[in-house]
Amino acid sequence: GNSVTQMEGPVTLSEEAFLTINCTYTATGYPSLFWYVQYPGEGLQLLLKATKADDKGSNKGFEATYRKETTSFHLEKGSVQVSDSAVYFCALANFGNEKLTFGTGTRLTIIP
Amino acid sequence: EAGVAQSPRYKIIEKRQSVAFWCNPISGHATLYWYQQILGQGPKLLIQFQNNGVVDDSQLPKDRFSAERLKGVDSTLKIQPAKLEDSAVYLCASSLDDGAYNEQFFGPGTRLTVL
Repeated sequence: GNSVTQMEGPVTLSEEAFLTINCTYTATGYPSLFWYVQYPGEGLQLLLKATKADDKGSNKGFEATYRKETTSFHLEKGSVQVSDSAVYFCALANFGNEKLTFGTGTRLTIIP
Repeated sequence: EAGVAQSPRYKIIEKRQSVAFWCNPISGHATLYWYQQILGQGPKLLIQFQNNGVVDDSQLPKDRFSAERLKGVDSTLKIQPAKLEDSAVYLCASSLDDGAYNEQFFGPGTRLTVL
């Protein structure tokens, strides 16, 4: 079956630091990969996605590249801000099936 | 455009009691999902509806959980009777159904505490 393994948190960084949150997956076929973000007191929001190997998803300065050879989809940002403090979830869905399988989430805190 | 609405936002009950959650998806979204998010874990799909039909309920504990989506719009999720391990946030999401992969839009969730 499908599974997603995420870097355990919490992660605390200083403002303007470089961020990497690791995500690896196990799936049959060729899944689509996603990063969702949950800001304090808000619902889950799609941050970025990639639907095939070597695709790069990007949004709000965040990037992640679909690496089929390493079954990974690591989230990166070059310079984090306090407003990036949130919980980040890596997820996948198989082609033709919108059912999402989520990782356990990584809580990120950015300190000024 | 209004987002996915859920109510109540918080609910505290004692074990063996019953509880119901309500979800109103984004207008025009044919697909509706209920997820359970236990503290420290990622959301887990409980049930998926397309219009008023069930697409996937393989992870729904059917001895105590039930869900319906009458008229293919609003949905309710019920737990009867509740157990301590049902304490979680219950998320509702909806998406279009136009043949391609469609983004799921999530509501704010209902936080359930079972004492």
